[in-house]
Amino acid sequence: QSVLTQPPSASGTPGQRVTISCSGSRSNIGGDFVHWYQHFPGTAPKLLIYKNNQRPSGVPDRFSGSKSDASASLAISGLRSEDEADYYCAGWDASLNGWVFGGGTKLTVL
Amino acid sequence: QVQLQQSGPGLVKPSQTLSLTCAISGDSVSSNSAAWNWIRQSPSRGLEWLGRTYYRSKWYNGYAVSVKSRITINPDTSKNEFSLQLNSVTPEDTAVYYCARGWDGYMAIWGQGTLVIVSS
Repeated sequence: QSVLTQPPSASGTPGQRVTISCSGSRSNIGGDFVHWYQHFPGTAPKLLIYKNNQRPSGVPDRFSGSKSDASASLAISGLRSEDEADYYCAGWDASLNGWVFGGGTKLTVL
Repeated sequence: QVQLQQSGPGLVKPSQTLSLTCAISGDSVSSNSAAWNWIRQSPSRGLEWLGRTYYRSKWYNGYAVSVKSRITINPDTSKNEFSLQLNSVTPEDTAVYYCARGWDGYMAIWGQGTLVIVSS
């Protein structure tokens, strides 16, 4: 059971906007930042969003992040087939004194 | 440009020790700003942080509760790398293992990943 809670799956058609939620507690994303990773099997996770809503250089502005209290969301607009991947939220947990991750959301582009 | 290159065996027997190394280029394991992490990913457990080592005038380590009794992460300043040792492995430790650099509160740079299978 992951410390951060994500839906196991999400889907959308090309061009649509989809959101993926991430729920935590005051000891992790409620009191600190949330970060998002995109993961294709067989490759290293790629940082997609850091510090709630910041995009690393090279990440398209179709990807955006938001956070309110201990809940966060990743939004992908203009969905494309190459967005089909697993998405993980992550944060530092002050009680556990370590990084915690969501269980991952498998995004399917229909 | 910071890069991490992992090395180590892909097959470990049950009850033995898993050992992996992460070589750093473009940064220093002794950096006062970075932390050097190990994470693993498996279908059953998703992404799981294992621990980290970092230098802030002296060396510190932090480990996940789930592996605390079995794990050691060590820096090697002469080779500019850090290592993971996980003792008494079982098939449950089968996973893809990643090293990653933590900096400014997030982990942006990851190694390429190493699939480690625990099997006799």
